[in-house]
Amino acid sequence: EDQVTQSPEALRLQEGESSSLNCSYTVSGLRGLFWYRQDPGKGPEFLFTLYSAGEEKEKERLKATLTKKESFLHITAPKPEDSATYLCAVQDGNNRLAFGKGNQVVVIP
Amino acid sequence: ETGVTQTPRHLVMGMTNKKSLKCEQHLGHNAMYWYKQSAKKPLELMFVYNFKEQTENNSVPSRFSPECPNSSHLFLHLHTLQPEDSALYLCASSQQGTNEKLFFGSGTQLSVL
Repeated sequence: EDQVTQSPEALRLQEGESSSLNCSYTVSGLRGLFWYRQDPGKGPEFLFTLYSAGEEKEKERLKATLTKKESFLHITAPKPEDSATYLCAVQDGNNRLAFGKGNQVVVIP
Repeated sequence: ETGVTQTPRHLVMGMTNKKSLKCEQHLGHNAMYWYKQSAKKPLELMFVYNFKEQTENNSVPSRFSPECPNSSHLFLHLHTLQPEDSALYLCASSQQGTNEKLFFGSGTQLSVL
């Protein structure tokens, strides 16, 4: 069974204090790893897809990386508007998707 | 309207009630999904429809009954629910029914009394 573990569960950052979120996974035949952002009272919003180890994607202050066992979401110089829950999901060889519980990030001004 | 819209946003129902959740996507996608999000738990897939045909039922109890009349509309009919069914129910769509790049609605927050 595919498993996704995200750490830390919750993170409080000062504005400008860079940090990383971790998503470790076990999956049968990785087809893709996805990062989503979810704001309170809203559905998840797609951020990135990573397909193979060594791949990196960037969007504004966010950078996602992938290895054979885990993915990191780096937040550089975060701002309060980066406060959200970040969800990681892996897609296996049968196109099944497994989500992690999320990393809740609060950025304090 | 753009994206994926869900109604109602909030719903409170008794265990003997019957209600329906509605989802509409304006993205021209071919696949639609129902997900359940409970506190402190990962998102849980319930149903997948691809070209309005159900392609996945993730062992969901029969008190949840989906309906997909066309590729743009999806319903979830609820009856005889239990308090543990209280959760955020999210609808999503994608170009194909392969779980890639999902577009989610804002969800219906359901409370079962």
